[in-house]
Amino acid sequence: GQQLNQSPQSMFIQEGEDVSMNCTSSSIFNTWLWYKQDPGEGPVLLIALYKAGELTSNGRLTAQFGITRKDSFLNISASIPSDVGIYFCAGLNYGQNFVFGPGTRLSVLP
Amino acid sequence: DARVTQTPRDKVTEMGQEVTMRCQPILGHNTVFWYRQTMMQGLELLAYFRNRAPLDDSGMPKDRFSAEMPDATLATLKIQPSEPRDSAVYFCASGLGAEAFFGQGTRLTVV
Repeated sequence: GQQLNQSPQSMFIQEGEDVSMNCTSSSIFNTWLWYKQDPGEGPVLLIALYKAGELTSNGRLTAQFGITRKDSFLNISASIPSDVGIYFCAGLNYGQNFVFGPGTRLSVLP
Repeated sequence: DARVTQTPRDKVTEMGQEVTMRCQPILGHNTVFWYRQTMMQGLELLAYFRNRAPLDDSGMPKDRFSAEMPDATLATLKIQPSEPRDSAVYFCASGLGAEAFFGQGTRLTVV
């Protein structure tokens, strides 16, 4: 079946640093979504991407839909302590279900 | 502020007992998903509905799990009988198109 890989699995960064993470697949997707999950909470939708090559921002977050449609990237600029959490990517094709990646766990050191 | 509401937030039960989890999707959303999250398996899709009709429940152990949508404002996930390996966080999500919005989850512990 379809699977998504996320890298890195976890990362520790200093407050103020920029963060980059990515999501790759062997399959093509028509939609890419990025979610953040805080401890004890459900995943919250951050950014949705609908077109290959699309670059979309949400505050300090920027995500891109890869040209090959098999990958997506999420960048966080000037990280702050509340950025801590698990970031999930999800891919979707028409008429099918969401496929979720295993997540990237982000820790921000003060 | 529209959101998906799940009850209960936490449930501890003894092995063999029936467990029912409830979800109120966002008003107007026509798709409802049930996911299970564990450390080992991550987010697993159990079942999903579109316009209240079950479309896919292949991720659900059929002998003990059942999912229903009695009406557009309520989705239920039932486990009978529950087993310790069912311990996990169960999420409901709803959507309209190419996005899904999650509830806060029900943390189930079966002892």
